Amino acid sequence: DADVTQTPRNRITKTGKRIMLECSQTKGHDRMYWYRQDPGLGLRLIYYSFDVKDINKGEISDGYSVSRQAQAKFSLSLESAIPNQTALYFCATSDWGITGELFFGEGSRLTVL
Amino acid sequence: DAKTTQPNSMESNEEEPVHLPCNHSTISGTDYIHWYRQLPSQGPEYVIHGLTSNVNNRMASLAIAEDRKSSTLILHRATLRDAAVYYCILMDGGGAQKLVFGQGTRLTINP
Repeated sequence: DADVTQTPRNRITKTGKRIMLECSQTKGHDRMYWYRQDPGLGLRLIYYSFDVKDINKGEISDGYSVSRQAQAKFSLSLESAIPNQTALYFCATSDWGITGELFFGEGSRLTVL
Repeated sequence: DAKTTQPNSMESNEEEPVHLPCNHSTISGTDYIHWYRQLPSQGPEYVIHGLTSNVNNRMASLAIAEDRKSSTLILHRATLRDAAVYYCILMDGGGAQKLVFGQGTRLTINP
């Protein structure tokens, strides 16, 4: 089983719908992240959390919200999806410390029609 | 966040060394230099990181300029499986400790 699991892996939805992407990890890490990747571009940070009570905005948080339900779970929500939120979304985790090595999930591909 | 500059793409041949450059002229004293790579249809994976001294691991070597304004990721003997997008990233060791990715270098390996 993967250390970082994302569900769903693929989702097609319509404009205005609420969407939740879920991430769970078995690495025991405190830190979790949500990134977005658009075709041909690098990853952009949406939100990150350093522990269950900590939530921080990243570069592009507008239109997104997150919930850290437990150390192992970090969910990303699109309250009212729009077409330009069509992208590949990655969840990642890291242990405490300056090395900051990130472990990524396999990605969730979201298409908003 | 300090920025990095990398070539959009590079090409090399199998079993030859590859040197991937990265410029980070605005690096601060507490910034760590990280490299990740993203294979096709996968999430990024960690390659190596360093602060001031050159670093080696089983995947690659990281050469850091004396003024720390540039660095080079070295793949000693490229294989076809090394074809990926390579990201050079600065992480502020004294601040939020979050990684912000740029656009990276797409490395093509020719057989």
